Amino acid sequence: DTAVSQTPKYLVTQMGNDKSIKCEQNLGHDTMYWYKQDSKKFLKIMFSYNNKELIINETVPNRFSPKSPDKAHLNLHINSLELGDSAVYFCASSQGAVGEAFFGQGTRLTVV
Amino acid sequence: AQTVTQSQPEMSVQEAETVTLSCTYDTSESDYYLFWYKQPPSRQMILVIRQEAYKQQNATENRFSVNFQKAAKSFSLKISDSQLGDAAMYFCALFLTSGSRLTFGEGTQLTVNP
Repeated sequence: DTAVSQTPKYLVTQMGNDKSIKCEQNLGHDTMYWYKQDSKKFLKIMFSYNNKELIINETVPNRFSPKSPDKAHLNLHINSLELGDSAVYFCASSQGAVGEAFFGQGTRLTVV
Repeated sequence: AQTVTQSQPEMSVQEAETVTLSCTYDTSESDYYLFWYKQPPSRQMILVIRQEAYKQQNATENRFSVNFQKAAKSFSLKISDSQLGDAAMYFCALFLTSGSRLTFGEGTQLTVNP
């Protein structure tokens, strides 16, 4: 059983398109995150949800919109994709104030 | 704001030898956790070890141990008896209980030579 699963693993799309990445966790955690890993492997938080409520929204373009239909799911929708959006996007989850995050396998997004 | 710094972009070690990866961090808060994550070529982020700031004892997980120096804000990872499978990018990360986010260092690429 995969604890945090995100789909798709790879996504190649043209500039200007809209795409979504889905994430699900079966750990019963109350907090879920989206992280972006750039070409230099630097990981930076984008969003954080706690019990379906948005608690962290970093300086991310409005083209990125997260949605959490329930505690176990956190999806990321991206409008009008740009070349600079190419990166690996990680979903993660954690429980309580400990911060030990469990990561999905990542989605490599390539915008051409 | 909190920061995490890994000053070694790359490190290499011979198989069966010991290597230490450095990490320093900065925060004004007293309640936090520190982690080391490993990212092999498969891209999966794998938790290696965790340290609670309130614990003086250094965490150990099999061949992996940390040297946590709270006053110096230093959190290094020691890998003993290095194996080929240890080759990966290693990230140091800080979690403030007040902030609900992990802040990562830049990463250290570890190569294990046979």
